[in-house]
Amino acid sequence: ETGVTQTPRHLVMGMTNKKSLKCEQHLGHNAMYWYKQSAKKPLELMFVYNFKEQTENNSVPSRFSPECPNSSHLFLHLHTLQPEDSALYLCASSQTSFTGGETQYFGPGTRLLVL
Amino acid sequence: GQNIDQPTEMTATEGAIVQINCTYQTSGFNGLFWYQQHAGEAPTFLSYNVLDGLEEKGRFSSFLSRSKGYSYLLLKELQMKDSASYLCAVMDSNYQLIWGAGTKLIIKP
Repeated sequence: ETGVTQTPRHLVMGMTNKKSLKCEQHLGHNAMYWYKQSAKKPLELMFVYNFKEQTENNSVPSRFSPECPNSSHLFLHLHTLQPEDSALYLCASSQTSFTGGETQYFGPGTRLLVL
Repeated sequence: GQNIDQPTEMTATEGAIVQINCTYQTSGFNGLFWYQQHAGEAPTFLSYNVLDGLEEKGRFSSFLSRSKGYSYLLLKELQMKDSASYLCAVMDSNYQLIWGAGTKLIIKP
């Protein structure tokens, strides 16, 4: 059971394409996250939003551009990606990101392949 | 630097007990989480420990020792559906989760 949805579930794109990933949470949370998950590697935090404001950008290349129009929706805009960007992109949400113990709830992810 | 270590893969038998260990070194500590992730699916929350000791939740238990930087997840009465990856994550002083690479658990009949 998940209150976080992501679309598309799978995406294949060329290095010159522009595409967007969408995330929506139905949990009434105020914080949303983008993570990158590569095979046999730890989850890498990319961006954090609290109350629609970006509060964290973990040195992510500018070819990844996040957008958070409201507390329920989060986008990741992709352009001129590289093959090494192929990974599972996970969205998560939590009540806030400013207190300890807040559980993050994840969406099913978008499996991205860059050719 | 910050580091979370857990075994890459473990194998256990249906009906048995398995313990998955996690050791950590982080800047600050605001609790430790365990998540389960089936192949191709979202990570799902299993447990949270912030104080030393054992937390039991049905067939799953999680233990924490802050002085040793150590936790384990104990799974009892293993079922085939428990085949999954188990992710250990520590919340650091900035309330960010630092993740281990995950332990793939294979259950054999």
